[in-house]
Amino acid sequence: AQKITQTQPGMFVQEKEAVTLDCTYDTSDPSYGLFWYKQPSSGEMIFLIYQGSYDQQNATEGRYSLNFQKARKSANLVISASQLGDSAMYFCAMRATSGTYKYIFGTGTRLKVLA
Amino acid sequence: DGGITQSPKYLFRKEGQNVTLSCEQNLNHDAMYWYRQDPGQGLRLIYYSQIVNDFQKGDIAEGYSVSREKKESFPLTVTSAQKNPTAFYLCASSPYRGRASTITQYFGPGTRLTVL
Repeated sequence: AQKITQTQPGMFVQEKEAVTLDCTYDTSDPSYGLFWYKQPSSGEMIFLIYQGSYDQQNATEGRYSLNFQKARKSANLVISASQLGDSAMYFCAMRATSGTYKYIFGTGTRLKVLA
Repeated sequence: DGGITQSPKYLFRKEGQNVTLSCEQNLNHDAMYWYRQDPGQGLRLIYYSQIVNDFQKGDIAEGYSVSREKKESFPLTVTSAQKNPTAFYLCASSPYRGRASTITQYFGPGTRLTVL
C-alpha cells in the first residue's frame, strides 16, 4: 500500500533562517511523483514543488528545494530564508503510475515563522 | 484567468438536508477530485473523475454523491446519510494525459460546511 508519513506536527523557525520539513513515503511502484503543497489559514492548497522518481537532480523552485533521497524513500522540503508569510500547513503528497490516478497525502506539518 | 472556483465559501445546513457543493474549472483538465479535510488533519479522497460521465469512489465515499456531465463541472452532494458532514471540502483538478507521475493537481479555494 502507498503511504506518506510526515512526523513533525509542528515546527518553529526564525525569520530569515532555513527550515527542513520531513516527508517519507512508501510505494512499490517504480515510477511516481512527489509533491509539496502549502495551505495558509485561508484554506486553499497551493502547489509548491514536484519531484519525479526518475529525476536525477533535486527539484528547486525559488526558495523551495526538495531533498530527494530515493534509497531512503524521503522527500524533504527545504525552505530557505524563511519569511513571515511562510507560516502555514505544509503537505507532502505522492502520485504513483499504478493507473488509479489517486494522490496520497500526509497529515501535514504546521510551520510557524517567528519575527 | 484560468483556475478552479468553488461555491459557496461557507455553507450551513440543517441535519437531514442534502446540500450540493459546486466546483468549476476552466483549465481544460480532464480529471477532477473531491477531498474532505477535518481540523488538523490531512486530505481524504471522496470521489474522483478521470473523464466526463465517469467517476470513481475514493476512500470515504459513503454519504456523498457526484456527477460529471460536463468537463468543467464536478458538483458534490452531501446527503443526509453522511453522519458527520461538518468539514472543509476541497475540489481539485489535473490533466489526464501525459506521464502520470508528473501530473500536478491544482486546488480550488474550498467550501466550509457546517451542520447545525
